[in-house]
Amino acid sequence: GAVVSQHPSWVICKSGTSVKIECRSLDFQATTMFWYRQFPKQSLMLMATSNEGSKATYEQGVEKDKFLINHASLTLSTLTVTSAHPEDSSFYICSPKNRGLNTEAFFGQGTRLTVV
Amino acid sequence: TQLLEQSPQFLSIQEGENLTVYCNSSSVFSSLQWYRQEPGEGPVLLVTVVTGGEVKKLKRLTFQFGDARKDSSLHITAAQPGDTGLYLCAALLIQGAQKLVFGQGTRLTINP
Repeated sequence: GAVVSQHPSWVICKSGTSVKIECRSLDFQATTMFWYRQFPKQSLMLMATSNEGSKATYEQGVEKDKFLINHASLTLSTLTVTSAHPEDSSFYICSPKNRGLNTEAFFGQGTRLTVV
Repeated sequence: TQLLEQSPQFLSIQEGENLTVYCNSSSVFSSLQWYRQEPGEGPVLLVTVVTGGEVKKLKRLTFQFGDARKDSSLHITAAQPGDTGLYLCAALLIQGAQKLVFGQGTRLTINP
């Protein structure tokens, strides 16, 4: 399978600070990047979809000014949680995808964010 | 509303028992996928089913895609403690932008 590197794997930050999460596709071009959030004992919820070089599309209820997504290259996308609050504590997972239908989805290892 | 309804959401059984997890929708999908996720890690693909009525086997796991391509099931025979984990069904939506959406997940615990 494809190699996806997500960093950091865990982070603890203070309320009000910002945290940046990186996701790299190491052996294929990620024309699309999906960002998911997963609360304890729950499934993955899609937050936003970004295509390389264009603005991200956010799912209903996800604040675009709070969760900044940058997808400037075909191998790197970042998610920045701005002015983090304890309720933003969650497991964030990226999933890069290249063009084509019905292609296998690959996932990063996830980032456990804890806001204190 | 949940596009993919997965049931049961929690299941705890004894080692050696059989179990079935269901993934239902009112929508038709070109394919459906099953993933397994361990705590603190991303999901790992188990199987993709594409054809209505298709059955795929992966050792003690049997996956079936409904004839109408609206639902799927995962059956585990003689469950083992190593099968413990979160099982997720997912479907790729291709209305406009493509996106992969997940069911609520089934948290499976196999007790020795």
